[in-house]
Amino acid sequence: DVKVTQSSRYLVKRTGEKVFLECVQDMDHENMFWYRQDPGLGLRLIYFSYDVKMKEKGDIPEGYSVSREKKERFSLILESASTNQTSMYLCASSLASASTDTQYFGPGTRLTVL
Amino acid sequence: DQQVKQNSPSLSVQEGRISILNCDYTNSMFDYFLWYKKYPAEGPTFLISISSIKDKNEDGRFTVFLNKSAKHLSLHIVPSQPGDSAVYFCAASGNQFYFGTGTSLTVIP
Repeated sequence: DVKVTQSSRYLVKRTGEKVFLECVQDMDHENMFWYRQDPGLGLRLIYFSYDVKMKEKGDIPEGYSVSREKKERFSLILESASTNQTSMYLCASSLASASTDTQYFGPGTRLTVL
Repeated sequence: DQQVKQNSPSLSVQEGRISILNCDYTNSMFDYFLWYKKYPAEGPTFLISISSIKDKNEDGRFTVFLNKSAKHLSLHIVPSQPGDSAVYFCAASGNQFYFGTGTSLTVIP
């Protein structure tokens, strides 16, 4: 079974803080993704990575950056958190193709920015 | 712009009946479609998929139908069970996956 874990289930931060969300997958998947889920908007892709040190912008990259130094780990960074970044953040991984292979999701991190 | 739309935010169905969840998309280049199920406090899990070369795919109680001319897909669950109560997301694949807004299904015992 593929396992995708996220470092925190719930996180509360203050406006302006730097926030790190960590994601680890244990199945040697090539691709990793960060989404945010908001009511009425579904899942929106922030960034994805198809290889170590490689990254691609998704639909809503503004205010975020990512890091993938090791194949199994993909970090989402909020350089200066703002209240409109309060959301559920979901990490996912897939085996090879970013556009056809099934994505496996972590449990999510509920981030609140005060 | 939302390229994948689920126009019904919620749906209630009696146990044993059919649940039909709908999804529309705008991009005719999408060639692969999936449904995910999400329980509260868990990440989405893959349910069923369909390639654009097919118009139907069945897996147990779950069937996905694709109407390419209408840019529409639907998920049928027969018979519906209380454990099917969850949020269902459809997704379409182009250079990345595009997810719909989700439909919350409640199956009433």
